[in-house]
Amino acid sequence: DAKTTQPTSMDCAEGRAANLPCNHSTISGNEYVYWYRQIHSQGPQYIIHGLKNNETNEMASLIITEDRKSSTLILPHATLRDTAVYYCIVRLHGGATNKLIFGTGTLLAVQP
Amino acid sequence: DTGVSQNPRHKITKRGQNVTFRCDPISEHNRLYWYRQTLGQGPEFLTYFQNEAQLEKSRLLSDRFSAERPKGSFSTLEIQRTEQGDSAMYLCASSLGSLEAFFGQGTRLTVV
Repeated sequence: DAKTTQPTSMDCAEGRAANLPCNHSTISGNEYVYWYRQIHSQGPQYIIHGLKNNETNEMASLIITEDRKSSTLILPHATLRDTAVYYCIVRLHGGATNKLIFGTGTLLAVQP
Repeated sequence: DTGVSQNPRHKITKRGQNVTFRCDPISEHNRLYWYRQTLGQGPEFLTYFQNEAQLEKSRLLSDRFSAERPKGSFSTLEIQRTEQGDSAMYLCASSLGSLEAFFGQGTRLTVV
C-alpha cells in the first residue's frame, strides 16, 4: 500500500471550512483514498473514500487531484466536535486483506 | 445494530497474567480485524479473519498473542504472560468484504 504524508496539526475556526491535505504520490491505479478520524479515546470513525472522482457525503467532501497524487478532505462547517486526529489512508480494493495502514495523521483543533 | 462492540473497555492487569478481550462485529460482516494503538501513534494492524479463518498475522503478533473467531461471528484476542510493553488500546474492526471497515471503541489495557 502506498504511503501518505499529512501535516502534523492544523487549526480551524468554528463555523469555517476545514481543509485537510494529504499527499500520496506513489498511489497505484487500483488504490482508493480513505479518510478516518479518531476523537480522543474513541475508535477510528470512517468518513469517506474515493478512487478518482470527487465524493461528498453527509460528513465531508473529498477532492482528489486529477493525477491522484494528492487529495483534500473538506469539512464544510467545522464544529468543536470535529476536533480529532484525521487519517488519510490509501487502500487496495479486492486484495487479500484490505487492511488499513495508518500513519500519524493530522490533529485538527477547531477553535471557538 | 449498534456497531462493533468490544469488551471490556478497560483492563488493568499485573505483569505475567493472561488477558482476553472480546469483539462482536457488525452482524453479517464477514471480515474482522484487530489493531493495536499506542500513545501518539496510529493504529497498527495485528491480524485479520475472513469468516472463521485467520488469513493474515502481523509480525507484531508475537507467540504470546492468539486470536480466534470460532464461528465466524465474535472474536477473542488473548495475551499470555503480559508485559508492560503490551499496554495499549486494542481495537477491533469489521467489514463486509472489501467495503469500508467500522471500528469499535477499543479495549484499553494497562499492565502494571
